[in-house]
Amino acid sequence: DAGVIQSPRHEVTEMGQEVTLRCKPISGHNSLFWYRQTMMRGLELLIYFNNNVPIDDSGMPEDRFSAKMPNASFSTLKIQPSEPRDSAVYFCASSSSSADTQYFGPGTRLTVL
Amino acid sequence: AQSVTQLDSQVPVFEEAPVELRCNYSSSVSVYLFWYVQYPNQGLQLLLKYLSGSTLVKGINGFEAEFNKSQTSFHLRKPSVHISDTAEYFCAVSDLVDYKLSFGAGTTVTVRA
Repeated sequence: DAGVIQSPRHEVTEMGQEVTLRCKPISGHNSLFWYRQTMMRGLELLIYFNNNVPIDDSGMPEDRFSAKMPNASFSTLKIQPSEPRDSAVYFCASSSSSADTQYFGPGTRLTVL
Repeated sequence: AQSVTQLDSQVPVFEEAPVELRCNYSSSVSVYLFWYVQYPNQGLQLLLKYLSGSTLVKGINGFEAEFNKSQTSFHLRKPSVHISDTAEYFCAVSDLVDYKLSFGAGTTVTVRA
């Protein structure tokens, strides 16, 4: 199994630019989670999907953040416009159900200058 | 809502010595408990989990944890650490309602020869 795949692994962009992070969950998993990790706030759940439907987006920090899951094998997290305070590592995780173990991808390290 | 407190932010330990990482949680409902490990520049990997049953849980790489409901704790232990155990360790809890994971701030373990 390839595990959860995230791209890009590193992204450097300038303030005001649009950023799109991508995630491919483990095949057969129907729950997908987006997390953000920073030194100041630790690991925070941003949003999670069940069967491609957003269930809880209460962790999304602002309207500048949006997430989609058009099908069972792909999800995106978009930041538009990006700001320096968005710099963090963004993780995607998937599980076979909401209650099951979450498997994490390697993360995308985002730097906004 | 639930929360997790990891009582030690940094734990230095010598190779082949035992280590214990402390985790306390608070929740008004029954919970699932997890320990994840994050090696440098990698995603999170599940070490072990407690869902129900025996309060002593054995995980990968020789780690084990004990669930103590009365003390609301889930401490992680390893009797003899290796240099390769140098990593950050996260305790996490999810309730049985929405299954969202809440993470502790993490404990950095540094194993020295």
